[in-house]
Amino acid sequence: SQKIEQNSEALNIQEGKTATLTCNYTNYSPAYLQWYRQDPGRGPVFLLLIRENEKEKRKERLKVTFDTTLKQSLFHITASQPADSATYLCALAVGAQTGANNLFFGTGTRLTVIP
Amino acid sequence: ETGVTQSPTHLIKTRGQQVTLRCSSQSGHNTVSWYQQALGQGPQFIFQYYREEENGRGNFPPRFSGLQFPNYSSELNVNALELDDSALYLCASSSFRDRALHFGNGTRLTVT
Repeated sequence: SQKIEQNSEALNIQEGKTATLTCNYTNYSPAYLQWYRQDPGRGPVFLLLIRENEKEKRKERLKVTFDTTLKQSLFHITASQPADSATYLCALAVGAQTGANNLFFGTGTRLTVIP
Repeated sequence: ETGVTQSPTHLIKTRGQQVTLRCSSQSGHNTVSWYQQALGQGPQFIFQYYREEENGRGNFPPRFSGLQFPNYSSELNVNALELDDSALYLCASSSFRDRALHFGNGTRLTVT
């Protein structure tokens, strides 16, 4: 069966350190993968998209890697700040070749940055 | 630029009833997706609409149905509500060019 696993339900990290979140998937062949941030009581907010032919993507303090052989994406936040505390979701795109944009989400990792 | 808006924000229904949730897309977006998010879980894909046609469906029974209107707004209808339907229902709009989903803040549905 298809699975998207984010290997930590919760991650606590000291302010200023690099947070690394993992997303593993099985039985998917995604054209691209996305990462979202979700705060309590709010909808997810898009952060980054990485395509299957890209190895790494950066945006300010964020970095995403995508390894289609390992079926894994890593999401890094460098110089973490308490304001980065939130739940982070990875999502795989299915059906992109037909023009669809059906995203399937993992269960999320709740990140807490401790001052 | 107006973001995605959903109504109502909260709703309480009784088992067996029917419910309609509404969503207004972000301007310039022609695709709308609906998700169900149970407490502590990631969003589960229900279906997607593109130009008023269903364009993908997740593992949800037929009592979950939807509509997209010419102005790209959308409705999610759930018939014969069950207790397990209690969740946050999220709507997201997107365009073909920009694959990012832009979410509303959801409708919290409680079924008693």
